[in-house]
Amino acid sequence: EPEVTQTPSHQVTQMGQEVILRCVPISNHLYFYWYRQILGQKVEFLVSFYNNEISEKSEIFDDQFSVERPDGSNFTLKIRSTKLEDSAMYFCASMAFLSSGNTIYFGEGSWLTVV
Amino acid sequence: DAKTTQPPSMDCAEGRAANLPCNHSTISGNEYVYWYRQIHSQGPQYIIHGLKNNETNEMASLIITEDRKSSTLILPHATLRDTAVYYCIVRASSNTGKLIFGQGTTLQVKP
Repeated sequence: EPEVTQTPSHQVTQMGQEVILRCVPISNHLYFYWYRQILGQKVEFLVSFYNNEISEKSEIFDDQFSVERPDGSNFTLKIRSTKLEDSAMYFCASMAFLSSGNTIYFGEGSWLTVV
Repeated sequence: DAKTTQPPSMDCAEGRAANLPCNHSTISGNEYVYWYRQIHSQGPQYIIHGLKNNETNEMASLIITEDRKSSTLILPHATLRDTAVYYCIVRASSNTGKLIFGQGTTLQVKP
């Protein structure tokens, strides 16, 4: 069964460093998302991406964050200068096409620890 | 998006049916009900979704009341591996299709 894959599974970084989290969405999917989950808290929406541009972003997704689809298969989340509070699990997700009856599939996540 | 209300936690005996309720009294006519679960901080796993008819797949059944103001996810024979946080989410048509997660119900399946 097709799945969303994410790398790395776990990354430890120093505060102030740049981090890139990578995702390979399900092939032929057109809509891509990043979510995050701080330990013990709920899953929060960060950004949605379609047709090579951001279609919606949350308040969390400030200027420190950016997303990119550098080629036909990868979808990346970059955090320019990490802060301690960026420590969280980051989930990538994808959906085939836009329909409220269509399913979003999530990857297993990348656990980011900022020290 | 319509808001949902779920009990924070539930217990279920292994082998018995787990019935997880969800209230969505402000749901609109074009909004689907989705259920996901999250096992121990893994990625949210899709379970099932429906609009107004009851649905069944290999994982679960979804019963939606006639007025659509509430629904129940049924795991027919719960196992220890079904211990997870279960999220009931209502999603309308939008230009992004995003899902908004609440706190969910923590289901503990006990031997």
